Amino acid sequence: DAEITQSPRHKITETGRQVTLACHQTWNHNNMFWYRQDLGHGLRLIHYSYGVQDTNKGEVSDGYSVSRSNTEDLPLTLESAASSQTSVYFCASSESKAGGPDTQYFGPGTRLTVL
Amino acid sequence: GENVGLHLPTLSVQEGDNSIINCAYSNSASDYFIWYKQESGKGPQFIIDIRSNMDKRQGQRVTVLLNKTVKHLSLQIAATQPGDSAVYFCAEKAGSGNTGKLIFGQGTTLQVKP
Repeated sequence: DAEITQSPRHKITETGRQVTLACHQTWNHNNMFWYRQDLGHGLRLIHYSYGVQDTNKGEVSDGYSVSRSNTEDLPLTLESAASSQTSVYFCASSESKAGGPDTQYFGPGTRLTVL
Repeated sequence: GENVGLHLPTLSVQEGDNSIINCAYSNSASDYFIWYKQESGKGPQFIIDIRSNMDKRQGQRVTVLLNKTVKHLSLQIAATQPGDSAVYFCAEKAGSGNTGKLIFGQGTTLQVKP
């Protein structure tokens, strides 16, 4: 069955280190999204991509970057981790068919702790 | 049981009762809406969606109602079960075209009492 996976599921790192969170989907969806979820803030969009080589900033993109070299993967990189980036991170994907639904399907999440 | 928008983020209902979760959306031009369910430790799961050319859509035990006049969306769960305990998010499509981003509400916690 097609799915969306994230790895690692849990990560502890230190302030200042570079961290990369992986997201892989097998639906062949063009659209992929990264969110962070914190208490009191709901889901906030970090970066998104509408296809290979396309990346766009979301509402909370500072300190994060993404790259899209193929359809299946959108890794999220924290260039220099900060304690404020301790959060749960969700990846999502959706198809981009004309007239089609915009339903986003979510991965299981990565819990990141920055010490 | 029923909540009103985001002002009552927790809804507690008795098992077997019907639940109504409400959501006020922001953009009168939004044309697509989704309800997600998020269980503890998991990612949001799609429940049901509705386009703006409809005012009601039914699924299995769930119904979504859309009132465009007052920009209000509701999720009705019939015969609420303990497995329905979760956080429920509404989302509206932002922007035009088929690659629009979603804007998520803050979420409502549904607690089902046995």
